[in-house]
Amino acid sequence: RKEVEQDPGPFNVPEGATVAFNCTYSNSASQSFFWYRQDCRKEPKLLMSVYSSGNEDGRFTAQLNRASQYISLLIRDSKLSDSATYLCVVNPPSTSGGYQKVTFGIGTKLQVIP
Amino acid sequence: SQTIHQWPATLVQPVGSPLSLECTVEGTSNPNLYWYRQAAGRGLQLLFYSVGIGQISSEVPQNLSASRPQDRQFILSSKKLLLSDSGFYLCAWRKSERKETQYFGPGTRLLVL
Repeated sequence: RKEVEQDPGPFNVPEGATVAFNCTYSNSASQSFFWYRQDCRKEPKLLMSVYSSGNEDGRFTAQLNRASQYISLLIRDSKLSDSATYLCVVNPPSTSGGYQKVTFGIGTKLQVIP
Repeated sequence: SQTIHQWPATLVQPVGSPLSLECTVEGTSNPNLYWYRQAAGRGLQLLFYSVGIGQISSEVPQNLSASRPQDRQFILSSKKLLLSDSGFYLCAWRKSERKETQYFGPGTRLLVL
């Protein structure tokens, strides 16, 4: 099983729609979680952290389900400018020596259609 | 505030030529540093990471090497490029504390012909 799994999509949705992405992770001891957005031919940029209690930033809501080991991202009222690839990120526990490897999902491509 | 720089932005190199990509971070000290490669339409592949000066760990065997001569400088090199080295190379930094996330530089797009 991969450490972090995402459906690569693409998800094609009309403007104004609500869309949700899930990301599953294999290490139950993982400590922190994030969503990134990557535009075509650009670097990934932090979209939002994911907190245990769930958190919201405008039209974006992130949630964590530790029991089922997944995180989700909900986008309401989709805009054309939301078209991008969304990557989930999981921080596992530190390995010996203190290094903590961050694991990225492959990303889910979203295309918002006029 | 912290910033991360990469150069060059774009590079076209012939097969067999050497490579040197540079990454520098400003506004922080003792960061964890990372080199990733992203092939067209693919996910991020971690190539190297560093927790301090002169400390380099490699994630996958390959034609590339990395060095960290200064605290906030990370260099990706190759003696002889292969066609398969083409891709989007991203440098990232992160505070060394747990639960921190990574921040990426603008990347270098490398095409090996």
